[in-house]
Amino acid sequence: LAKTTQPISMDSYEGQEVNITCSHNNIATNDYITWYQQFPSQGPRFIIQGYKTKVTNEVASLFIPADRKSSTLSLPRVSLSDTAVYYCLVDSSYKLIFGSGTRLLVRP
Amino acid sequence: EAQVTQNPRYLITVTGKKLTVTCSQNMNHEYMSWYRQDPGLGLRQIYYSMNVEVTDKGDVPEGYKVSRKEKRNFPLILESPSPNQTSLYFCASRRGTSGGAVEQFFGPGTRLTVL
Repeated sequence: LAKTTQPISMDSYEGQEVNITCSHNNIATNDYITWYQQFPSQGPRFIIQGYKTKVTNEVASLFIPADRKSSTLSLPRVSLSDTAVYYCLVDSSYKLIFGSGTRLLVRP
Repeated sequence: EAQVTQNPRYLITVTGKKLTVTCSQNMNHEYMSWYRQDPGLGLRQIYYSMNVEVTDKGDVPEGYKVSRKEKRNFPLILESPSPNQTSLYFCASRRGTSGGAVEQFFGPGTRLTVL
């Protein structure tokens, strides 16, 4: 099962773009990369998922290079409400492994 | 409204007193899972179920039991709770495709304290 590595924490300011990178060197051919957001004392919430190249939705973009050994979650123009923990997850069949997550702090 | 519900939301109990945390989803999902979350350790999968009567161990199954008699319900059972099971527990569900490209929905969490 692929294990993910992310920075423990990141700081940013309102209005900036934030990029969080996740390393998953042992990703398998059938695995997808998924990102979740979690606020304190709440369940994680799905943000975005991708297999390769670039995926974009209304809240984020996900960049995955050709070798798929890493991925980058991009949050455009963050606001204070984006302060949360962000988890990168390699979706390997049914046994899901979350990393320790990246704690993002957005300052005014 | 599509949701995953858990009960109770908060529970304080004593060592050895059997307890059950219920989980229910109304999305007709095949796959359900339990996680525990501890400070600095992120979320760790306890058990998962691919469908009715089909369950399997996650990364930290010791001290827990589960059952899946109905599609919508996936209770977590602690036969003899111990203080090291004090944690925040999340139930989750999703459609039962194999592997990725499927969003997982999480419940609101159950904060358990074992004295």
